[in-house]
Parts: sequence; C-alpha cells; structure tokens
Amino acid sequence: DTAVSQTPKYLVTQMGNDKSIKCEQNLGHDTMYWYKQDSKKFLKIMFSYNNKELIINETVPNRFSPKSPDKAHLNLHINSLELGDSAVYFCARGAGRGPRHNQPQHFGDGTRLSIL
Amino acid sequence: AQTVTQSQPEMSVQEAETVTLSCTYDTSENNYYLFWYKQPPSRQMILVIRQEAYKQQNATENRFSVNFQKAAKSFSLKISDSQLGDTAMYFCASRPNSGTYKYIFGTGTRLKVLA
Repeated sequence: DTAVSQTPKYLVTQMGNDKSIKCEQNLGHDTMYWYKQDSKKFLKIMFSYNNKELIINETVPNRFSPKSPDKAHLNLHINSLELGDSAVYFCARGAGRGPRHNQPQHFGDGTRLSIL
Repeated sequence: AQTVTQSQPEMSVQEAETVTLSCTYDTSENNYYLFWYKQPPSRQMILVIRQEAYKQQNATENRFSVNFQKAAKSFSLKISDSQLGDTAMYFCASRPNSGTYKYIFGTGTRLKVLA
C-alpha cells in the first residue's frame, strides 16, 4: 500500500533558505497531516487538513505554511530555515470524518531535513 | 486534554521470547481509538495494531496482541515469539473519534531483539 508519497526523502540546505516538501495521497481520504519528529524521536503534530480545510494548527512558527491545492495533496513550505528546523517531517493521511472515521492513519516515508 | 505515556524508554528481549510494552493514556472522550505504531531504523511508521475503545475484546494481529484495560486507561502491547525484525521504536497513540481527530503519540519505547 503506497498510499502516501512524500518527496524528497532527504533535504539538505543552508540556514535562511526557503524549501518545500510535497505530499500526495492516492486513496481519496479527506484528512491529511504533517508531523515533526525531532532528534529524540518525539513525534508531534503540526497541521491537519480535512478536505482542503485547516483543522489543526499547533503552535508552529508562521515560517511553516501548509498548502492544500486539492484533497490529494498537502505540501509543507518552510521559509527562512533555522538550525532548529532540522528533523524528520512526516506526512500522513487517514482517519477522516464520516464513514471513514475508523480508518487508521498511514504515514509517508518521511523527509529528513538537515540545516547547515 | 489527551496524553499518552510510555514509561519504558528502552527494552530488550531475546529472540523467540515474549515482551510487553506499556502504555497509559488519559482522555475525556468516550469514543476513541488506540494504536501501536512501529518505526524500524528505516524510519517508516508502520501500523502494528489498533483497538476501538468501545470494544471489550483485545485486538490481535498474528504475534502482536494488546491488553486493553479501559478503566485503568492502559493499553499494553505484547509481542510473542520475538524476531530480529521486531527491533524498532514502538509508539503508542490515541485518537478521539470526533472533533479534530487529533492523534497524540507517546514518547516511544526502543525495543531491541537479541539473537
């Protein structure tokens, strides 16, 4: 099941740059998420979109902006990258509302972002 | 507020033995799901097993089973006949079945299966 496709897998860039991570899901689920996993493996939700509508927006710096052009995509844009942004970022889909509420969450393979 | 606590940062088990990973949670919701995810060194997040809170019967998936104690808000994972491929980080998570459907993850337990 390659339901969530995330690119790139690795991203190395310099402080101050702007970068994007793309995420696509192919099962028509309404809900998509972005998570950040830090060096201690702690996994924390950043954003959730349901049918292109922002549902969850945790206390994330406004340098991070999710963009959902359609239900199948939820891209993450990060401006003015800082050293502390180094982490693995996971996109996930699933657990939507309505008849799909019982679907488990499935993750992409993650993007390791390294800031030099 | 939801919380998920995994009190064992690291564990090890001999190959073919059984190991139990602990998880406790707190939620004010009546209807929710509980999950165990596995993250091997490849960093993929893989769903191991899930439990619907309104179901009393413990979920099982092959060598993986849970001990769900709703009153105690406990959701432990038992791995039987441990295999080297079970070496991974294991995350417990909860999710309400309403509202934002927000997942809360525990801090993880690093499991090492020894040959």
